[in-house]
Amino acid sequence: SQQGEEDPQALSIQEGENATMNCSYKTSINNLQWYRQNSGRGLVHLILIRSNEREKHSGRLRVTLDTSKKSSSLLITASRAADTASYFCATEHFGNEKLTFGTGTRLTIIP
Amino acid sequence: DVKVTQSSRYLVKRTGEKVFLECVQDMDHENMFWYRQDPGLGLRLIYFSYDVKMKEKGDIPEGYSVSREKKERFSLILESASTNQTSMYLCASSSPGFDQPQHFGDGTRLSIL
Repeated sequence: SQQGEEDPQALSIQEGENATMNCSYKTSINNLQWYRQNSGRGLVHLILIRSNEREKHSGRLRVTLDTSKKSSSLLITASRAADTASYFCATEHFGNEKLTFGTGTRLTIIP
Repeated sequence: DVKVTQSSRYLVKRTGEKVFLECVQDMDHENMFWYRQDPGLGLRLIYFSYDVKMKEKGDIPEGYSVSREKKERFSLILESASTNQTSMYLCASSSPGFDQPQHFGDGTRLSIL
């Protein structure tokens, strides 16, 4: 299976702190995407980073990609209670348009 | 905004029943996907479709089939429901090509008794 792994599985931090979660994958990718899932809802796309990019920003989100280590990290700065959710990485591999999802990190922001 | 609508949020069926899960998207997307989501396993792809009447197996197609008669609608069928198919089912759609995000519905939580 090409399924990615996310680390940590769960993370609790105080509001205002930064949250970092990591994703590792097994085979070469075309791009890596991050999604958020609020409890009982579908996934929402956050950000996409291509294999030839090393870092990308979107608002309070910063994503890095290290293709030599086959890993990515998602940093959420100045966290808010509304950031409480599960976060999933997903990889698109060369040759097809499917996504392979990781197992997710459950983030809890403590007010 | 893209809207992906799944017909039911919660569904309870009995073993052996034929179950239909419906998904409709309003953005004229060519690609549509069905996933199941289980605790600790993340999302696993069941089937996907790149066009009307076209379907391809994902990672876990056993026990499922799909139908795509119209571009906007993608149906997942459990031929003979079993208790191990109790899960959250998520539908998604996307534009064709690489580097396209997927847009998800809110899911159907299916319980097979």
